[in-house]
Amino acid sequence: EPEVTQTPSHQVTQMGQEVILRCVPISNHLYFYWYRQILGQKVEFLVSFYNNEISEKSEIFDDQFSVERPDGSNFTLKIRSTKLEDSAMYFCASSGGLQYFGPGTRLTVT
Amino acid sequence: AQKVTQAQTEISVVEKEDVTLDCVYETRDTTYYLFWYKQPPSGELVFLIRRNSFDEQNEISGRYSWNFQKSTSSFNFTITASQVVDSAVYFCALSETGFNAGNNRKLIWGLGTSLGVNP
Repeated sequence: EPEVTQTPSHQVTQMGQEVILRCVPISNHLYFYWYRQILGQKVEFLVSFYNNEISEKSEIFDDQFSVERPDGSNFTLKIRSTKLEDSAMYFCASSGGLQYFGPGTRLTVT
Repeated sequence: AQKVTQAQTEISVVEKEDVTLDCVYETRDTTYYLFWYKQPPSGELVFLIRRNSFDEQNEISGRYSWNFQKSTSSFNFTITASQVVDSAVYFCALSETGFNAGNNRKLIWGLGTSLGVNP
C-alpha cells in the first residue's frame, strides 16, 4: 500500500539554526499539507500546497516557514531560524481525496 | 468559525468495558467531512473513519461504531469490549469542502481524548 514517508524521524537542532523537514507524498496525489503537534497538544494545520503554490496557511505559518516541492517528488518544510517553541512533531500529509499522514518528524530545538 | 470540541480529556476504563468518545463540531458549511484518528503511544496518526455530512447513517466496523447526528452536531465514537491495545489518544477532526478544493481542505482538530484501557 502506498504511504507517505518523512525524514528524518527525529531532528535535534540549536535555536537560531535552519532546519528542513522532508516528505515524500504518495505519487499520484496533488494536495500536500504540513501539520504540527506540540507535545501533548492537538494537531494544528500549518499550510496546504497545490499546483506548486500555497493554497492556504495558518497564522502559525509566518515568514520563518516556507514550503517547496523541489523535484516533483519531495515536499519540504523549512524553518529559517528555529525557536524553542518550534519543538513539536511535524506531520506531512498528501491527498487525492483523503489525507494520508506520514509518521512524523520530531523536532527538538535546544 | 469551524471548531471541534472533545470535552473528555482523559478516560480510563477496564478491559472489556464499552467506552464512548464524544465529539461536537461547529461549522457554517453545509457540506463537510468528519474524521476520527487514533494516535498510539508511538505517535503516528492512524485514520479510522471519514463521514460525509450528507450521510448520517451510523457505521460499525468490528468493535468500533460511530454515531453521527447533525441535529446535535455530534460525531461520537464507541469502542465495544475495549482492549488494552485500544489505549491511545483519539482525535476527532473536521474538514470543510471548498468550491475549488472539494474534499481537500485542511483538517481542523479537536484536543483529543486520551483513552487508557487497563487489564
